[in-house]
Amino acid sequence: GAVVSQHPSWVICKSGTSVKIECRSLDFQATTMFWYRQFPKQSLMLMATSNEGSKATYEQGVEKDKFLINHASLTLSTLTVTSAHPEDSSFYICSARAPRGRTGYEQYFGPGTRLTVT
Amino acid sequence: RKEVEQDPGPFNVPEGATVAFNCTYSNSASQSFFWYRQDCRKEPKLLMSVYSSGNEDGRFTAQLNRASQYISLLIRDSKLSDSATYLCAVNRRTGGFKTIFGAGTRLFVKA
Repeated sequence: GAVVSQHPSWVICKSGTSVKIECRSLDFQATTMFWYRQFPKQSLMLMATSNEGSKATYEQGVEKDKFLINHASLTLSTLTVTSAHPEDSSFYICSARAPRGRTGYEQYFGPGTRLTVT
Repeated sequence: RKEVEQDPGPFNVPEGATVAFNCTYSNSASQSFFWYRQDCRKEPKLLMSVYSSGNEDGRFTAQLNRASQYISLLIRDSKLSDSATYLCAVNRRTGGFKTIFGAGTRLFVKA
């Protein structure tokens, strides 16, 4: 299957600092990438849809000024958590939408970034 | 009501058992359907797509019933390594292309 990388895999930061997470599709071009957040024992919650060359589309309740998304190329999207607080501690996962297959667009996920804000 | 609903489980089954998971979706505009597997503290991995005609991949069989808006996954001859959380996912185009995930069903296979 397609390969998506994510960096860093884990990060610990102090409250008030900003953290940037990178998501790369390694073997295909992804015009659309997605950012999810997952709290322990809960499902993936879509935060935003990142479109190459245009502004991201945020889900209801997600602060666009706090979670900055940039999709500067067909293989890279970044999520910056600005002024992080302990409640932002979570597992952040990106995914890239692969070219249309038989049943529609499959998504391939990065390995996730575990963020801990102290 | 959540757009994609699954029984959270956990399902505790012995090795060799057959186990079935169900998933319902509420948006009739949903277009494509998938099952993902997620291991603890890892990202989801695509297990299989789900077709109206049903599809099988080894010990795994997925089925879609569009009329009932219902998706199923059957695992035969369970292995210890099947222990994981199984996520149902639905793609739709209304409000922009999105994939909506269920909360997942936890499976524990025991020796």
